[in-house]
Amino acid sequence: EPEVTQTPSHQVTQMGQEVILRCVPISNHLYFYWYRQILGQKVEFLVSFYNNEISEKSEIFDDQFSVERPDGSNFTLKIRSTKLEDSAMYFCASSEAGRFGNQPQHFGDGTRLSIL
Amino acid sequence: KNQVEQSPQSLIILEGKNCTLQCNYTVSPFSNLRWYKQDTGRGPVSLTIMTFSENTKSNGRYTATLDADTKQSSLHITASQLSDSASYICVVASHNTNAGKSTFGDGTTLTVKP
Repeated sequence: EPEVTQTPSHQVTQMGQEVILRCVPISNHLYFYWYRQILGQKVEFLVSFYNNEISEKSEIFDDQFSVERPDGSNFTLKIRSTKLEDSAMYFCASSEAGRFGNQPQHFGDGTRLSIL
Repeated sequence: KNQVEQSPQSLIILEGKNCTLQCNYTVSPFSNLRWYKQDTGRGPVSLTIMTFSENTKSNGRYTATLDADTKQSSLHITASQLSDSASYICVVASHNTNAGKSTFGDGTTLTVKP
């Protein structure tokens, strides 16, 4: 069964450094998402992406964050200047349809980001 | 403010027993409600998706119910197995938003013991 893959599985970065998290969504999916989960807390929506542009973003997704689909397969999340509070598990997800979302979202297993 | 409340926070049951997890929400206007299973250290896996017109949906030993009038949902697990030990998350989406910007519950941590 096709799956969403994320790399790296664990990223350790110094505060203030830039970090790029990578995701390969399921090939025929059109909608892509990033979520984060701080240890012990609920999953939080960051951003959704469709047709090469952001379709929706949360209050968390400020100017330090950006997303890109640089080619036909990868979907990336960049954090420009990391802060301690960015430490979390970051999940990528994809789905065949987005608006009103009656299609299942498929999640990757996440990248654990640790900021020192 | 859109909210999703799940209960209980955690639950321990013996293998082979049944259990029911609860989800109450205040998301409006309602689009769909999803139940996910999240194993420790893994991403959430979709179990069921229900729209306004559906009041029950099954996926193997998992059966979800939805009462859109009272804004309540439940997830019933039948004949539990050790592999059912996980966090079960209720997620509600609104018509006003892309599916991604859904409201997540805190999850119920289920432990199945032999």
